[in-house]
Amino acid sequence: GAVVSQHPSWVICKSGTSVKIECRSLDFQATTMFWYRQFPKQSLMLMATSNEGSKATYEQGVEKDKFLINHASLTLSTLTVTSAHPEDSSFYICSARKPSGRAPTYGELFFGEGSRLTVL
Amino acid sequence: AQSVAQPEDQVNVAEGNPLTVKCTYSVSGNPYLFWYVQYPNRGLQFLLKYITGDNLVKGSYGFEAEFNKSQTSFHLKKPSALVSDSALYFCAVRGMFSGGYNKLIFGAGTRLAVHP
Repeated sequence: GAVVSQHPSWVICKSGTSVKIECRSLDFQATTMFWYRQFPKQSLMLMATSNEGSKATYEQGVEKDKFLINHASLTLSTLTVTSAHPEDSSFYICSARKPSGRAPTYGELFFGEGSRLTVL
Repeated sequence: AQSVAQPEDQVNVAEGNPLTVKCTYSVSGNPYLFWYVQYPNRGLQFLLKYITGDNLVKGSYGFEAEFNKSQTSFHLKKPSALVSDSALYFCAVRGMFSGGYNKLIFGAGTRLAVHP
């Protein structure tokens, strides 16, 4: 399988500060990465699709200015939670699509270990 | 609308017994179906997928899933459960959304508890 690394695993910050979470594909190039949010005992909610070299595509109801996504290279996407508040506390998970020999959209998804954000 | 349903919040099984975690789906076109497992405070690990071909798909850690088109189901199974199988299991279906890319639509998750 492929490896996707997320950093940091845990982060605690004060209300009003910004936090950056990194998602790296370690052994493959990912033109597309996805950011999910998971509330306790709930499923994963897709926040946005991160496309290398272009703007991210956000799901309905997700604030673009709140959750800044940058996909500057084929192996790195970042999620920045700006002016974080306690309600932003959550488990954030990224995934990266490893292209297959067929069309890029058929690539398998590999998930990071997740980042738990706690905003005080 | 494309969706996936996991009707059970929790499944309890005795170690050594067979286990089934249920999943039904609704998708236009041919379904691409997946099962993932999540351990506490961890990301998701891929178990298996159905794209086409044999309806019985074998995956990691002894798990398998049976695709049933008429019942629109993709239940996860294992002949003999282990305590270490206790985790949160997600069924997912690949759907289409604007922008031209596929995305995974996850079920609510089923917590599997295997008792010694």
